[in-house]
Amino acid sequence: NAGVTQTPKFRVLKTGQSMTLLCAQDMNHEYMYWYRQDPGMGLRLIHYSVGEGTTAKGEVPDGYNVSRLKKQNFLLGLESAAPSQTSVYFCASSSAGQYNSPLHFGNGTRLTVT
Amino acid sequence: GESVGLHLPTLSVQEGDNSIINCAYSNSASDYFIWYKQESGKGPQFIIDIRSNMDKRQGQRVTVLLNKTVKHLSLQIAATQPGDSAVYFCAENPNTDKLIFGTGTRLQVFP
Repeated sequence: NAGVTQTPKFRVLKTGQSMTLLCAQDMNHEYMYWYRQDPGMGLRLIHYSVGEGTTAKGEVPDGYNVSRLKKQNFLLGLESAAPSQTSVYFCASSSAGQYNSPLHFGNGTRLTVT
Repeated sequence: GESVGLHLPTLSVQEGDNSIINCAYSNSASDYFIWYKQESGKGPQFIIDIRSNMDKRQGQRVTVLLNKTVKHLSLQIAATQPGDSAVYFCAENPNTDKLIFGTGTRLQVFP
């Protein structure tokens, strides 16, 4: 069982470039999440999904888009990267929603936007 | 257990001692609390959770205590080991299906 796998692990983008972060989970979880982690701040929710084909905005959704075409995958897109999006991005999944079950996190993608 | 600026509060303990990491949560409506451990370069790892109808919950070498009166959560680690060195942070769910994460406390274990 790999759990939650994120690719790539590291990426450097120039301002205005686009990219997609990939997340895959093999635990058959319904719920998936994208967070960003910045120094001095707690994890902040970008977008989340409560099941295949669904997406919803989190706390800091601006500048990001997501898609959940398959239950096991949750993609995070940056259409036009900005330096403010320099961060570590974590994908997570859970079986029953954040209120009822703990999150299982991937090991993150470290993104630098210059 | 909350950070100030970019510098996490640090707890240094000797191997074999017990560790207590504290967290002040923000919302009196919060009903579900979780402790995570994050090692350098890795994602957060679930340690233990507790619901508001409980004051204490024990796991393997870890105990979580919840004091709703003062909105305080603590994580106790028994017989701390070098492998326990990490950043620990709490999360609360104020009944909205959106977790609020603390910024963490760094635990350093020295021989």
